[in-house]
Amino acid sequence: QVQLQESGPGLVKPSETLSLTCAVSGYSISSGYYWGWIRQPPGKGLEWIGSMYHSGSTYYNPSLKSRVTISVDTSKNQFSLKLSSVTAADTAVYYCARQQHTTGTVHWFDPWGQGTLVTVSS
Amino acid sequence: EIVLTQSPDFQSVTPKEKVTITCRASQSIGSSLHWYQQKPDQSPKLLIKYASQSISGVPSRFSGSGSGTDFTLTINSLEAEDAAAYYCHQSSSLPITFGQGTRLEIK
Repeated sequence: QVQLQESGPGLVKPSETLSLTCAVSGYSISSGYYWGWIRQPPGKGLEWIGSMYHSGSTYYNPSLKSRVTISVDTSKNQFSLKLSSVTAADTAVYYCARQQHTTGTVHWFDPWGQGTLVTVSS
Repeated sequence: EIVLTQSPDFQSVTPKEKVTITCRASQSIGSSLHWYQQKPDQSPKLLIKYASQSISGVPSRFSGSGSGTDFTLTINSLEAEDAAAYYCHQSSSLPITFGQGTRLEIK
């Protein structure tokens, strides 16, 4: 059974970099699938941040692309998110998820991690 | 960017009722439309993929239909445990986008 678990600081100061890690168990990241990040501001809807294949192929949301880096560490079977120059608008629950793909694009997310709340505040 | 518009935003329903949630895309997306359920304080769970394909472990009362720009999630014989927010998601073109969500309250 595939399980994903997010970890990282729950509080980040404005202008700093948000860093989160998603540990994957029950499945090897190197075996396939894309691995993605999605966020949800409190009381609001879902926003896709970006997705990455173990080989390094990435897709990013253009609205965040200039500030986002997603990387994969196959030796630890985990992947990470870095979001720079954060503001209060980046306060959200951040989810990691496994993502199905076909040639040239990515599709549904399943399963998801439990999510971690990151608050941007001084 | 493809915009997904769900309706209604909120619905209060009674158990055993049949519920229909719609998702309209701003342009044709074929069948690249997926549905999720998010219960309070939980992460989203995949319900339907490719508009109408069922997911193992999801109760059979959940079904999806549609193609192009108009899609429907149907819940037959609603149960109390179905109280949740429901989101559609398109993967026809990047960036991936989600609908704004539909919240179901059980009376």
